[in-house]
Amino acid sequence: GNSVTQMEGPVTLSEEAFLTINCTYTATGYPSLFWYVQYPGEGLQLLLKATKADDKGSNKGFEATYRKETTSFHLEKGSVQVSDSAVYFCALSEGLNSGGSNYKLTFGKGTLLTVNP
Amino acid sequence: ETGVTQTPRHLVMGMTNKKSLKCEQHLGHNAMYWYKQSAKKPLELMFVYSLEERVENNSVPSRFSPECPNSSHLFLHLHTLQPEDSALYLCASSQDPAGSSYEQYFGPGTRLTVT
Repeated sequence: GNSVTQMEGPVTLSEEAFLTINCTYTATGYPSLFWYVQYPGEGLQLLLKATKADDKGSNKGFEATYRKETTSFHLEKGSVQVSDSAVYFCALSEGLNSGGSNYKLTFGKGTLLTVNP
Repeated sequence: ETGVTQTPRHLVMGMTNKKSLKCEQHLGHNAMYWYKQSAKKPLELMFVYSLEERVENNSVPSRFSPECPNSSHLFLHLHTLQPEDSALYLCASSQDPAGSSYEQYFGPGTRLTVT
């Protein structure tokens, strides 16, 4: 079955530091990949996505590249801010062309990021 | 503002109570989802409705009963819950799962505590 593995955390950084949160996946077919963010007391928000190999998703200074050869979708940001403190979830769905259930999202366990001023 | 609202935001209930969680989406989507988020565990998909028909029921105990009266509203009826059911319950919506746009948009969740 499908699975997503992301670094456990928590991750604590100083403001303006470089961020990497690793995410690797196992899937049949051709999944789409997502990063969601959950700020304290809120639900999940879609941060970025990539639907095919070598696609790069980007939003709010965050980036992730769909690497089929390494089955990875690592999240990066060049300079984090205190307001980026949140839990980050990597997720996949099987996608339209796999014949699977493309609505079903498989999530990683989440990585707590704390950014200190 | 995500376009998906949930009420109540917090709920404390005893094991013999009956309560309902409500979700409403204002995005014109026609698929809706219930998830359970517990500490230290991945999100668990509970139910999926597409075009008001239930298309997924992930071995959820019968003390959780979903209802989808129309494409904008989703309920989760709760009765005789157990303390281990305490969690954050998240609602989400998306376009028709068979369509081309399947990103899910989440509500803020209901924090449920069963005493």
